[in-house]
Amino acid sequence: TQLLEQSPQFLSIQEGENLTVYCNSSSVFSSLQWYRQEPGEGPVLLVTVVTGGEVKKLKRLTFQFGDARKDSSLHITAAQPGDTGLYLCAPRAGTYKYIFGTGTRLKVLA
Amino acid sequence: ETGVTQTPRHLVMGMTNKKSLKCEQHLGHNAMYWYKQSAKKPLELMFVYSLEERVENNSVPSRFSPECPNSSHLFLHLHTLQPEDSALYLCASSQALMTGEQYFGPGTRLTVT
Repeated sequence: TQLLEQSPQFLSIQEGENLTVYCNSSSVFSSLQWYRQEPGEGPVLLVTVVTGGEVKKLKRLTFQFGDARKDSSLHITAAQPGDTGLYLCAPRAGTYKYIFGTGTRLKVLA
Repeated sequence: ETGVTQTPRHLVMGMTNKKSLKCEQHLGHNAMYWYKQSAKKPLELMFVYSLEERVENNSVPSRFSPECPNSSHLFLHLHTLQPEDSALYLCASSQALMTGEQYFGPGTRLTVT
């Protein structure tokens, strides 16, 4: 059984603050995706990371895949209320399967 | 309509009812998926279809019955559900089987009473 842990579970911060959320596992993955899910909507893909140590940037969001491809982090700079949502990591766990974490629920207060 | 649509958005049903969830994708994708999202639990992959053929049935109880009549439509037929089946049911599609981006619909919020 592959265990996937996302932390923190909940995060409430003020607009303008920086934050980092984590996705950790004891398993090695070939790739990993990050999604954001807003209330009443389905998840939307933000990024896919493939190479150990890879860093990808999407505006104020920085994604990193661990060197050993067992973990990943998402850093948000100068958070805005529009960043509010559930952030899900989803490592590839087989030929065509992705497994999802329980997510980090972020609330950015204006 | 664009993207992935799901109907109904909300459904309340009794344990003896029979209902169906509908998903339609307007993206020309070849693979479609059903996921279950329960409170405080990870998204669970239920069924996977590729070119209208089921390729995955993730130990889902038989009270859930999927149907994929063509590559654009996916149904989830429900009967004699249990209260613990209450959840958000998400449909997704991708260009090919688990490659690249999965596009999710908004989900159907199901409550079983």
